Amino acid sequence: QVQLVQSGAEVKKPGSSVKVSCKASGGTFSNYAINWVRQAPGQGLEWMGGIIPEFGTANYQQKFHGRVTITADESTTTAYLELSSLRSDDTAVYYCARPSAGSGGNSFDFWGQGTLVTVSS
Amino acid sequence: VLTQSPGTLSLSPGERATLSCRASQIVSSGYLAWYQQSPGQAPRLLIYGASSRATGIPDRFSGSGSGTDFTLTISRLEPEDFAVYYCQQYESPPWTFGQGTKVEIK
Repeated sequence: QVQLVQSGAEVKKPGSSVKVSCKASGGTFSNYAINWVRQAPGQGLEWMGGIIPEFGTANYQQKFHGRVTITADESTTTAYLELSSLRSDDTAVYYCARPSAGSGGNSFDFWGQGTLVTVSS
Repeated sequence: VLTQSPGTLSLSPGERATLSCRASQIVSSGYLAWYQQSPGQAPRLLIYGASSRATGIPDRFSGSGSGTDFTLTISRLEPEDFAVYYCQQYESPPWTFGQGTKVEIK
């Protein structure tokens, strides 16, 4: 069974950067896209981008282009989300998520537990 | 853009719930999923491919629809089903979610 375990909560100042990790265990890491989805307090889900570790090239939601970097390290089966130039409206829970072999496509069977990032002066 | 309706559904345990998700463009390959999210929890995949249940999902959950109109039906609500439900299209990036439907206890 695939498990995704994320790094802990962060408190950041406006204008700074944050890097969140997502450690995968079970299943195959390299062949399935690791995606990042965020959820602001009381709001819905928003896809930020994703990466297939085997290929190493990430796709991003246009809204975040230039501020977000998604990477993956096959040797440690860990994916990373880095968000720069943080603003107060980046305060959210950030989730990593990936599909299973059974469902295919880009529906997300497996989710991390979420990482709360709070941006505050 | 995915538009879900209603915003809130007030029902009693044992009743049937019907949730709608309408896409602004045709989702031609049926690449539509439904998720359930309980407070403080990560979303859980219920349905993928518009109508296939994910692993371990009870058969009281069913998905239907094609083109631009999709439906999630919960045949008989159990206490644990009161939550927020999201649809997601994954036919073409960026993957997008609906704004959610909250199913609350009446």
